[in-house]
Amino acid sequence: QQQVKQSPQSLIVQKGGISIINCAYENTAFDYFPWYQQFPGKGPALLIAIRPDVSEKKEGRFTISFNKSAKQFSLHIMDSQPGDSATYFCAARSNAGNMLTFGGGTRLMVKP
Amino acid sequence: EPEVTQTPSHQVTQMGQEVILRCVPISNHLYFYWYRQILGQKVEFLVSFYNNEISEKSEIFDDQFSVERPDGSNFTLKIRSTKLEDSAMYFCASTAQGSHEQFFGPGTRLTVL
Repeated sequence: QQQVKQSPQSLIVQKGGISIINCAYENTAFDYFPWYQQFPGKGPALLIAIRPDVSEKKEGRFTISFNKSAKQFSLHIMDSQPGDSATYFCAARSNAGNMLTFGGGTRLMVKP
Repeated sequence: EPEVTQTPSHQVTQMGQEVILRCVPISNHLYFYWYRQILGQKVEFLVSFYNNEISEKSEIFDDQFSVERPDGSNFTLKIRSTKLEDSAMYFCASTAQGSHEQFFGPGTRLTVL
C-alpha cells in the first residue's frame, strides 16, 4: 500500500521531443506528489510538485498531470534537451507524516 | 543559495565497524531526514527527526542505526556495526517549517568491505 510504481525504467527521446514518465499509487492518504531529478553522483533535486486538489501543474517545460480517481500522476517534459538526461523519481508523501515514498526511477536519455 | 552539505563524500569501512555520517542541514530548517539509495535502486526513507526526537522511522532503521543532532548545525547518522548490505549512498535532507519541500544533500557513499 505504501508503494509508488513508476514506469518506464528507461526512456530514450530525441531532442525536442516529449518525455513522459508515469507513476501510480495505492495509498489514498498520500497528499503531496513531488518529482525529483537526479544527476549521477548527486542528490535528488526537486523539480516540480503537485497536491491532489489540482489536476495539472506546469512550470516551464515541465508539467505534472494528476488523476486522483485513477491514483496516477505523470511528468511531461516538453522540448526535451540533452541536459535533461538524468534519472527522474516520482515520490509521494502521506498526510500522516513527512516521509517520502519514492518510485523506482526512470533513466532518461535525450539524444541530440 | 543555501544547501545541505554532507561529509565525508565517500566512506570505506570494514564489516562490523561503526560509522558516523555527518550532515549540515540548511540553517533555518527544522525537519531532518536520512534516506539511502542502494546502487541502481530507488531512494528509501530511513528516519525523520524534529524537535530533537525521531518522528518517523522505517523498517530499515533498526537498532543498529541512531541519529543525533549534537549541536545547532550538525545532524548525524550512526551505524553501530556495519554489514555488507549497508553499502549504499546515504542522503540527508531538510525541510523548513510550513514547507513540504525536502532539500537533499549530495550524499555519502558508504562502502562496507
